[in-house]
Amino acid sequence: EDQVTQSPEALRLQEGESSSLNCSYTVSGLRGLFWYRQDPGKGPEFLFTLYSAGEEKEKERLKATLTKKESFLHITAPKPEDSATYLCAVQVRGNDMRFGAGTRLTVKP
Amino acid sequence: DGGITQSPKYLFRKEGQNVTLSCEQNLNHDAMYWYRQDPGQGLRLIYYSQIVNDFQKGDIAEGYSVSREKKESFPLTVTSAQKNPTAFYLCASSETGVNSPLHFGNGTRLTVT
Repeated sequence: EDQVTQSPEALRLQEGESSSLNCSYTVSGLRGLFWYRQDPGKGPEFLFTLYSAGEEKEKERLKATLTKKESFLHITAPKPEDSATYLCAVQVRGNDMRFGAGTRLTVKP
Repeated sequence: DGGITQSPKYLFRKEGQNVTLSCEQNLNHDAMYWYRQDPGQGLRLIYYSQIVNDFQKGDIAEGYSVSREKKESFPLTVTSAQKNPTAFYLCASSETGVNSPLHFGNGTRLTVT
């Protein structure tokens, strides 16, 4: 069965304290891995798509990487405005997108 | 600005009543989706549509119904048959190509008592 697991469930950081969020997956035939950011009471906002192992994407303080079994979202020198829930999703076939439960990130000033 | 509009933001209903959630997009996307989000769980697909007048069931379609009469609109009806309807509902759209990201609306929070 296709599964996506995100860890940790929650992460509290001090401003400037870099860290990483993990998304591990067991799927048959990965077509793409997606990262989204979700603010409370809002819909998810697309961040990155990764297609193949070894690929990396960057946007401001965020960098996403992909291996054959997992993806990491690295946050460098985070700011309070980076506080949000980060969702990982994998596309396995057609329109079948499987989401993890998310990591709730809090960055304290 | 292009985007997806969901309405209302909050909805309260009594048990046993059907309720319809609105979703409109002006991104000219062919594909539209409805997801349900519950605390501690990943988003779960209810229904999706890749073209007007056609839609398919997702993982948790029981107790829900949809229509796709126009490209821009994909309303979701939560029927009285849905056993646990209280949740945050998200509508999304995408281009139909492989690996196209989803674009989400800001959700409707439905509370049924």
